[in-house]
Amino acid sequence: GAVVSQHPSRVICKSGTSVKIECRSLDFQATTMFWYRQFPKQSLMLMATSNEGSKATYEQGVEKDKFLINHASLTLSTLTVTSAHPEDSSFYICSAFNGQVNQPQHFGDGTRLSIL
Amino acid sequence: GDSVTQMEGPVTLSEEAFLTINCTYTATGYPSLFWYVQYPGEGLQLLLKATKADDKGSNKGFEATYRKETTSFHLEKGSVQVSDSAVYFCALSDSTGGFKTIFGAGTRLFVKA
Repeated sequence: GAVVSQHPSRVICKSGTSVKIECRSLDFQATTMFWYRQFPKQSLMLMATSNEGSKATYEQGVEKDKFLINHASLTLSTLTVTSAHPEDSSFYICSAFNGQVNQPQHFGDGTRLSIL
Repeated sequence: GDSVTQMEGPVTLSEEAFLTINCTYTATGYPSLFWYVQYPGEGLQLLLKATKADDKGSNKGFEATYRKETTSFHLEKGSVQVSDSAVYFCALSDSTGGFKTIFGAGTRLFVKA
């Protein structure tokens, strides 16, 4: 099946640090990638939709200057949490989609971000 | 807008029991429906899908049938195992929504030996 690699799987860093998370589709071209945030024991909250070569579309309430998304190629999207603070600590998950009707998204294994 | 409602958990069953997790949806178009499973500390894995009315998705003993008349996509398994303990998410994707996937709240399943 389709494989999406998300890296790193876990990050622990100091407040004020910027953290970059990579999401790669390994065996298909992802025209669209989605970034989600998941709080403990809750569902996934869509943060933004990223289409290759264009600016990301952010969901209401998500700060685009805080969560920078780049989707420069059909196999790679990055999420940068800028000047991270403890309230940004969460589980971040990406997914990749090939743009074809009736096809599912394929998810990475997630990144657990802990800001001290 | 589109939405997915699934039964609240947690659901606790004994091994070999029958499982049903209810899921209903509202959508303006003709969505594809999915069940995803999330094991502790991991991302989501696609469990099964159905793309049109009366389709039955199946995988690893799990089944779900796309019922347009009742707007439902209930997940069933005849005999659960301890290894099935996880969180299950019902979801829909609609091309009219730009292929965004709308997730239910998730249902946590505990299976006891």
